[in-house]
Amino acid sequence: QTVVTQEPSLTVSPGGTVTLTCASSTGAVTSGYYPNWFQQKPGQAPRALIYSTSNKHSWTPARFSGSLLGGKAALTLSGVQPEDEAEYYCLLYYGGAQQVFGGGTKLTVL
Amino acid sequence: QVTLRESGPALVKPTQTLTLTCTFSGFSLSTSGMCVSWIRQPPGKALEWLARIDWDDDKYYSTSLKTRLTISKDTSKNQVVLTMTNMDPVDTATYYCARTYGSGKEFDYWGQGTLVTVSS
Repeated sequence: QTVVTQEPSLTVSPGGTVTLTCASSTGAVTSGYYPNWFQQKPGQAPRALIYSTSNKHSWTPARFSGSLLGGKAALTLSGVQPEDEAEYYCLLYYGGAQQVFGGGTKLTVL
Repeated sequence: QVTLRESGPALVKPTQTLTLTCTFSGFSLSTSGMCVSWIRQPPGKALEWLARIDWDDDKYYSTSLKTRLTISKDTSKNQVVLTMTNMDPVDTATYYCARTYGSGKEFDYWGQGTLVTVSS
């Protein structure tokens, strides 16, 4: 059973920088896992932010960036805004029939 | 403009079969590389990937649920249908469909989701 692990919760001050990570139970996350990142606010559907590690969608704010960091996928928010308070999920691709979401990180902006 | 909308019963009884339909617009599932995925989210819990169907009719299922899931498409109607057999209260969740491409590696647009409750 493949498990994808994220920090359960993080807190950041407005204007600050925070990095969320996404680890795989199978070992180091590489670009071959094509990490996707999603933002979900209460009562809303998830919104795609990042695909294939670091690519942004046309609607993704510039303050969001994706990367690989220390064997994990990472999502960095620079210059955090109050509206960034949300749950963030990563998704890793293990090959055709296996795509696994992380447990989510609840980001609090305080 | 890409949109997706899930539809189906809000309430199903245990052991029944659930049938959900994803109706989409703004793209064609006959376009090379295009896919539609299903994802669910139990109340207060994390997202779970369920299944994907590709433009060439290749189908992929969650390892843990593959015996209960069937995904199909009707390209002419711009619809993807997911069936899940032998429903149980633990299957209570919001079910989403999402457009994916690049053999499912890249997600972009999601539907609003539909809440399905399993209860007698």
